[in-house]
Amino acid sequence: GENVEQHPSTLSVQEGDSAVIKCTYSDSASNYFPWYKQELGKGPQLIIDIRSNVGEKKDQRIAVTLNKTAKHFSLHITETQPEDSAVYFCAPALISGGYQKVTFGTGTKLQVIP
Amino acid sequence: EPEVTQTPSHQVTQMGQEVILRCVPISNHLYFYWYRQILGQKVEFLVSFYNNEISEKSEIFDDQFSVERPDGSNFTLKIRSTKLEDSAMYFCASSTRADEYEQYFGPGTRLTVT
Repeated sequence: GENVEQHPSTLSVQEGDSAVIKCTYSDSASNYFPWYKQELGKGPQLIIDIRSNVGEKKDQRIAVTLNKTAKHFSLHITETQPEDSAVYFCAPALISGGYQKVTFGTGTKLQVIP
Repeated sequence: EPEVTQTPSHQVTQMGQEVILRCVPISNHLYFYWYRQILGQKVEFLVSFYNNEISEKSEIFDDQFSVERPDGSNFTLKIRSTKLEDSAMYFCASSTRADEYEQYFGPGTRLTVT
């Protein structure tokens, strides 16, 4: 099965600084690369995603970059705010025909210090 | 905005008892998923369901687990004889199509087996 690793497992940054989380996966067939944010007591929520035919995608302060050759993709958060504090999961997926097979990463706990 | 709902929010049960976790997916969605998250660990895929049948399941989803869509709105996960190690958060998710990519997660049900 897919082996997914995230680094770092915890990350503390000062408010206003940038944060970068890296996700490495093993299945070269994966073709969908989302990042989820999970706040305490809630379910994961999609914050940004990228598909295998795109190298980078940006949405305001959040960006995702993909390197399919090296099998990794990264989440970039600029100008961090206290409300960005949460656990972030990458979840590379294979989407084919009628199904979607998702494997979540181990998670990164981000703490933004005011 | 439409959302996935789950009931109950917290379920306490004794080892060996049967539990049913309920989910109401977003109304026009066709694909349904169950995931679990043991405290402090990553989210793990259990099963996906489409057109009234299981389309994919993980090794975790053994004979003790079953899923059902008893009517047009509910999607349930049944654990026949709970074990201590079944204690976890269980998340339901839904998507319009498997190739719609984004899955919408519910808030989860915390299952505690004593």
